Formats: sequence, structure tokens, C-alpha cells
Amino acid sequence: AQTVTQSQPEMSVQEAETVTLSCTYDTSENNYYLFWYKQPPSRQMILVIRQEAYKQQNATENRFSVNFQKAAKSFSLKISDSQLGDTAMYFCAFSPGATSGTYKYIFGTGTRLKVLA
Amino acid sequence: EAGVTQFPSHSVIEKGQTVTLRCDPISGHDNLYWYRRVMGKEIKFLLHFVKESKQDESGMPNNRFLAERTGGTYSTLKVQPAELEDSGVYFCASSQDLRGTEAFFGQGTRLTVV
Repeated sequence: AQTVTQSQPEMSVQEAETVTLSCTYDTSENNYYLFWYKQPPSRQMILVIRQEAYKQQNATENRFSVNFQKAAKSFSLKISDSQLGDTAMYFCAFSPGATSGTYKYIFGTGTRLKVLA
Repeated sequence: EAGVTQFPSHSVIEKGQTVTLRCDPISGHDNLYWYRRVMGKEIKFLLHFVKESKQDESGMPNNRFLAERTGGTYSTLKVQPAELEDSGVYFCASSQDLRGTEAFFGQGTRLTVV
């Protein structure tokens, strides 16, 4: 079965510093998709960054970047120059590729990140 | 453009009662998903609609849960009768395409069964 593990329930970082959130997953598939979603307090989840497994280059979106290690099945999120608005719950998610008969997302338990002023 | 909206935002009901949650996806999105997060645990998949058809309902916990999407627009998720373990946050999401595309989430409905 496919699983996603986020081993850090809570983290904190000083404003303007860099923080890395970890995520590991388990799958037997070769092609799939990985996501980081962010849920600010009392707000809806929004996509932070997306990675296609067949692309070796790590995805980057402004201050957010990933370290995708396919062989190790690791997908960590790095937030640079942390801002107060980055305070949120972060969820790592996996979506299977074309050979799978399902389209659902599989989520980790989340990491609650607090950015300190 | 309006995002995914869910009603109600909170619901507190007694064990044995019925509750109906509603989700309005983004207009034009054929794919609609329901997920649930029990406190402190992962977000778990419940089911997936493509238009009005159930594509995958493998995550539905039992027959007390009934999801519908009449006309391929909004969807409802009914829990009847509710049990204590049904408490959690129910998320709805929609997407335009199937594979690997961004799913847009609603704010969730926090259901508390007492």
C-alpha cells in the first residue's frame, strides 16, 4: 500500500530563516506526483509546490523548493526567508501515476509550522 | 472565480442523528473528491466523482455514509446515523483533470458528534 510519512508534527523557525520539512513515501510505482499543500489557520488548503516523479529537476516556486530523492523516496520542502504568513499546517501528498486505477491523493499527518517574529 | 465552498463550516450533532454536508466545486471541474481528517491523523480519501458518477468509493467507511452528486455539479455527503467516531473535518476538493493536477480544496466542515 502507498503511504506518506511526515515525521515532524511541529516545527518553528525564526522569521527570515530557512526551514526544511521532511516527507517520505512508499510506493512501487515509477511514475507518480508529489505535492506540498499548506493550510493556514482557519483557511483552506492551497497548493505550495508540485513535483512529477519522472522529472529529475527539483521543483521551485519562489521561496519554496523541494529536495526530491526518488531512490530514497524522500520529498522534503525547504522554505527560505521564512515569513509570518508561512505559519500553517503543511501536508505532503502523493498521487499515483497512469498505471494505477485510482486518482486519489494520499496524505501525511502534517507538520505544524510556526514562524516566530 | 469562486473557489470550492463547503456548508456548513461547523456542525455539532448528537449520536444517532443525521447530518448532510454540501460541497460546491469550482465551475467546470468534473472531478470532485471527499476526504476526512480525524484529529491529529492523516487526511484520508473517502470517494471520487467524475461528473455524476462515482469513480472510486473505496474510502467510504461504511454504509452509514452516502454521497451524491446529482447533475454533476454540487455534491452532498450524508451521515446517517452519526456515530462518535465520525467526528472530524470533512474536506471537499475539485480538479479539472485526472492525473497529477492540482486539486482545489474547500475550507472543510468540522463535524462533532456528541
